[in-house]
Order: sequence, then structure tokens, then C-alpha cells
Amino acid sequence: RKEVEQDPGPFNVPEGATVAFNCTYSNSASQSFFWYRQDCRKEPKLLMSVYSSGNEDGRFTAQLNRASQYISLLIRDSKLSDSATYLCVVNKKGFQKLVFGTGTRLLVSP
Amino acid sequence: EAGVAQSPRYKIIEKRQSVAFWCNPISGHATLYWYQQILGQGPKLLIQFQNNGVVDDSQLPKDRFSAERLKGVDSTLKIQPAKLEDSAVYLCASSLVIPGLAGPDTQYFGPGTRLTVL
Repeated sequence: RKEVEQDPGPFNVPEGATVAFNCTYSNSASQSFFWYRQDCRKEPKLLMSVYSSGNEDGRFTAQLNRASQYISLLIRDSKLSDSATYLCVVNKKGFQKLVFGTGTRLLVSP
Repeated sequence: EAGVAQSPRYKIIEKRQSVAFWCNPISGHATLYWYQQILGQGPKLLIQFQNNGVVDDSQLPKDRFSAERLKGVDSTLKIQPAKLEDSAVYLCASSLVIPGLAGPDTQYFGPGTRLTVL
């Protein structure tokens, strides 16, 4: 079983739609969680950290369910510029090593 | 602030040849990482340095891959000899935080080197 699993997609949505991605992780010792965004042929960039209480950044909401070991990312009012691959990332306490999922590809169309 | 620099951006070689990639992290970042990203997959950590010491190289294929960070600043990753399955983007990243002392810090990635092995 992969340490971090994501649906690769692609998710095709129209502008203005709400879309949600889930990610599951296998290591219960994982302590920190992130969503990175990767545009085509570009490097990954941190989108947001995921906190136990859930957190929001503009149109983006991240949630963590430790009991079920999954993380979610909700994007509201999708923009064309949101088209990218969204990477779910986990980390063990005390370690700087990040484990990346395969990514979920999002395509927002006019 | 200058980001993580990598060179070359693209490299095409034949199998069994050697290749080297260079990375210059963000100034002051103690931790440097090399990742391999195969098409359709997420980045996979190959090696992690803290200053000039290796923290984690458990996923580095040591029979053909080597990396160094001699002065604790820039780093090189070498593949010798290359195989077809080494075709990937090699990403370098850096972060401020020293492992073990705090939670994970944001990793900043360079633009990557796209390697094609024929």
C-alpha cells in the first residue's frame, strides 16, 4: 500500500464549480500535512498546510481526519487558473522528510 | 529573494552515460533535498542534507547515484551509469529548519532538471 494515496483524476469542472479532493495516508505517525500545487512542467509550491481544526485560505479549505487518516481539499468558485495538479503531502513528527502522493489533476474549463 | 537555482534545465543522454546536476539553494537554508519525479507520479526523496551532512539517503540507488554538498551550500547529484528508467525530473529543494529540532518547514523547490535517457 502506498504511504499517500490520491485519485489521479483528472477532475474536469466548469468555472465557478466547487470541487473536492481526498487523500489517504497509511502511517498513523504522520504529524504534519500539506497540499502542494504543481503547474504543468513547473516545480511544486506549497498551497497550504492542513491543521487538525481545519483551515481556510480564501477559496481553499483543507481538513484533516486523523481517525480515518484522510485529508481533503475543497476549492470553491473554481477559476481557470486553478488548473493544476494538487499534491497531498505528509510528514512524520521530528522529520523533515515529506512523502508526496501522486497528485490529483484538476482541469477548469470556461 | 533569489529562489533555488538548478542547472541544466534539460539533459538528454544515452543509457550507460554519466550525468551531473547542480543545485544552489536559497541563501541561509541549512537543509537541501534532491527529489526524483517520474512522469505521472509525485516527487520521491532521493537524499536529504543538513548543511554538508547526509540526513537521509535511504531511497538513493547508491550503485549508480551519488550526491554531495561539500561546503554546505550548493550540491551536485550524479548518475553513473544512467538507465532508461532514470528518465525523470530531478528537483532540488531547500528549507530553513534543521531536522529533528522543529516541525517541518516549507520546502522551496527549484525548477528542476528534466533528464531523458535514450
